[in-house]
Amino acid sequence: DGGITQSPKYLFRKEGQNVTLSCEQNLNHDAMYWYRQDPGQGLRLIYYSQIVNDFQKGDIAEGYSVSREKKESFPLTVTSAQKNPTAFYLCASLGWDRGPYGYTFGSGTRLTVV
Amino acid sequence: GDSVTQMEGPVTLSEEAFLTINCTYTATGYPSLFWYVQYPGEGLQLLLKATKADDKGSNKGFEATYRKETTSFHLEKGSVQVSDSAVYFCALILKIIFGKGTRLHILP
Repeated sequence: DGGITQSPKYLFRKEGQNVTLSCEQNLNHDAMYWYRQDPGQGLRLIYYSQIVNDFQKGDIAEGYSVSREKKESFPLTVTSAQKNPTAFYLCASLGWDRGPYGYTFGSGTRLTVV
Repeated sequence: GDSVTQMEGPVTLSEEAFLTINCTYTATGYPSLFWYVQYPGEGLQLLLKATKADDKGSNKGFEATYRKETTSFHLEKGSVQVSDSAVYFCALILKIIFGKGTRLHILP
């Protein structure tokens, strides 16, 4: 079955470290997205990519970086410049074949700074 | 700009009660509308969708009708269960706009 795989499910980071969250999809979707969710809050868009080798900043891109070298993969790096990285991170992809199917989400990565 | 507004939670109901979660939108153009559900500790799952006016999306006893005249997509269920306790997000797809989410608690 097609879907999105995020790894790891839980991640612990020390102060000053960069960490990379993995997101892989086998849905053949062109567009991929990273969201951040804080406790009791909605989703905030970090970065998105609508095509390979291109990506755009979302609403809260500061302290984050992404790459999109392959259609299937959209890794997110949380850099040491991100002042408050503890959150739940969700990756999504979007298919538009014969109309929008809606987003498909991964199961999330919970990042905690220790 | 484009936006989604949904009722603030938490919403607390008794089992077998009727559920309505309101969602209205503002959009330039003709959006597709979606409801997503998030169970604790998980990602979001697509619950239902509607892509044009008067379409009714339905799934798992939930329904929502795309009302262009009132720019609304209210989520309804006739008889909720404890297992429906989750956070529900209304979404508009033109430019990736989500409402803030409405937390629903069902009491047994």
